Amino acid sequence: GENVEQHPSTLSVQEGDSAVIKCTYSDSASNYFPWYKQELGKGPQLIIDIRSNVGEKKDQRIAVTLNKTAKHFSLHITETQPEDSAVYFCAASSGNNDMRFGAGTRLTVKP
Amino acid sequence: DAGITQSPRHKVTETGTPVTLRCHQTENHRYMYWYRQDPGHGLRLIHYSYGVKDTDKGEVSDGYSVSRSKTEDFLLTLESATSSQTSVYFCAISEYGRGGPYEQYFGPGTRLTVT
Repeated sequence: GENVEQHPSTLSVQEGDSAVIKCTYSDSASNYFPWYKQELGKGPQLIIDIRSNVGEKKDQRIAVTLNKTAKHFSLHITETQPEDSAVYFCAASSGNNDMRFGAGTRLTVKP
Repeated sequence: DAGITQSPRHKVTETGTPVTLRCHQTENHRYMYWYRQDPGHGLRLIHYSYGVKDTDKGEVSDGYSVSRSKTEDFLLTLESATSSQTSVYFCAISEYGRGGPYEQYFGPGTRLTVT
């Protein structure tokens, strides 16, 4: 089955700096790669996703890149703000109810 | 939380007792999922449903059963709770689109402690 690895497990940045979180996957059948943000005491919230026919996708300060050949994808957050502090999860799926999640990255944005 | 509620939100129970968690959705989505979240493991799929009375096992299904008698409700049952089932449980929903049930939306979670 799919195996998703996520790095780093913790990340601390200064407000205004950029943050990058990286994930790798093992199953070449995976074609959908979402990112979730989880705040303390809440459920994961879908913030951006990318499909295997696209190399990059942007939504305001958030962008995701995908390298199908190398089987890795990354989340980029620019101009970080304190409210970006949360745990971020990557995931991979082939669309067959088989979504696998990374272990999570705790992002802290220092004012 | 995309029209998803979970009950109870917190529960403490003793080893060996049965426990049922409920997920309720108002989105009329076909697919529903139960995940558990543990430190260092992210979210792991327990069971999912692809329609009323249609369910299948996920990655960590041992010790759990599910039922879906209505589109809006998906129940997770621990027949005899063990300490290893102490976790935070999340329900998610999805709808078929663009070739598969891709986007999943999560409920607020249930924190279960088995003593």
